[in-house]
Amino acid sequence: KQEVTQIPAALSVPEGENLVLNCSFTDSAIYNLQWFRQDPGKGLTSLLLIQSSQREQTSGRLNASLDKSSGRSTLYIAASQPGDSATYLCAVLPRAYSGAGSYQLTFGKGTKLSVIP
Amino acid sequence: GAGVSQTPSNKVTEKGKYVELRCDPISGHTALYWYRQSLGQGPEFLIYFQGTGAADDSGLPNDRFFAVRPEGSVSTLKIQRTERGDSAVYLCASSRSRGGPNTGELFFGEGSRLTVL
Repeated sequence: KQEVTQIPAALSVPEGENLVLNCSFTDSAIYNLQWFRQDPGKGLTSLLLIQSSQREQTSGRLNASLDKSSGRSTLYIAASQPGDSATYLCAVLPRAYSGAGSYQLTFGKGTKLSVIP
Repeated sequence: GAGVSQTPSNKVTEKGKYVELRCDPISGHTALYWYRQSLGQGPEFLIYFQGTGAADDSGLPNDRFFAVRPEGSVSTLKIQRTERGDSAVYLCASSRSRGGPNTGELFFGEGSRLTVL
């Protein structure tokens, strides 16, 4: 059974710092990995999607990497801003195209980020 | 619509009552998912629809939970004889079907917060 772990559970940084959030998964047979942002009391906003054949994706100040063989992904946030404060979740989708469980995203518990002005 | 829409945003009910939660996916997305998120946890898979049929309902916790998508668009999650342990945020997501670039990317709604007293 796939397990996704995110470390640290919480992180507090001063504004302007670059930071890295970590995500690890136990089964490397994935179709893709997705990073989400969740603000308090809100739904999930998709940030970046990395297909299993890719090694990284970039969007603005965000860069996500994927090392499938080691079961790891990182989300790099450059020049952090107070508006980046939120919980960041990573989730993996299994590689199988059919069968029970093949469309189930497995999520980590998230990293709660606080950027201090 | 522009995004995934969920109603109600908040629902408070008494133990033993029946509840319906509605999801309107992004136009043109054939895949629809329901997830449940408890406080401090990542979302957990409940059920996946491809078109009108439930392709994977292995995440439904018991037979009090049921979901339909009769016309392949709007979906309703139904919970009978609610229990206090059902209290959570119920998230709906939609995606394009697999088979092309960026498929498998899920877009989530804001969620329906259910509180069972």
